[in-house]
Amino acid sequence: AQSVTQLDSHVSVSEGTPVLLRCNYSSSYSPSLFWYVQHPNKGLQLLLKYTSAATLVKGINGFEAEFKKSETSFHLTKPSAHMSDAAEYFCVVSFTGGGNKLTFGTGTQLKVEL
Amino acid sequence: GAVVSQHPSRVICKSGTSVKIECRSLDFQATTMFWYRQFPKQSLMLMATSNEGSKATYEQGVEKDKFLINHASLTLSTLTVTSAHPEDSSFYICSARGTSGGLVETQYFGPGTRLLVL
Repeated sequence: AQSVTQLDSHVSVSEGTPVLLRCNYSSSYSPSLFWYVQHPNKGLQLLLKYTSAATLVKGINGFEAEFKKSETSFHLTKPSAHMSDAAEYFCVVSFTGGGNKLTFGTGTQLKVEL
Repeated sequence: GAVVSQHPSRVICKSGTSVKIECRSLDFQATTMFWYRQFPKQSLMLMATSNEGSKATYEQGVEKDKFLINHASLTLSTLTVTSAHPEDSSFYICSARGTSGGLVETQYFGPGTRLLVL
């Protein structure tokens, strides 16, 4: 069975400061990992994905995430937050043996303050 | 990235009526489409998976006669909420995924449909 845990339901940062959204996963097989962002009343947009290539993955809008197998983590980071980054972020895991079904974390609400 | 559209974006209906939601992949062929439901401030819950030309596979606890899914072509899937009741009010999101050279591609999401049943 696979699962994903987002350790923080809410994160608040000041504009221009770093962002760290934490995610830990559990999977019996080599997973694919994704981060999606959802703005209010909008669908999900793919930020980045890890599929067993480079462990440091760069995504859109300056976000990146590092796959650490020893820590079963896939934390999302950004060096400098922007007001437009305020949204809900979902960490997602899938693996080929599971039919590539996506398993979603519970989400982290990112608030960016002036 | 690929584009997935949903229509309508918002619908209000009376209890007992049926509502159809369309999901289209605009620039790729979606061999598999997914329907999710999202309650306020919660994560997405997979309702069903459909492959083009096949019957949908429903997740445990999802009534297949209540939520009818049709995936008639590689670019269109529909979800019909039959005899809708207030508890069916939710945000419904579709997702589409293609294949390329036998490899499973990324899943892309539509903008969602807000359903309110009065």
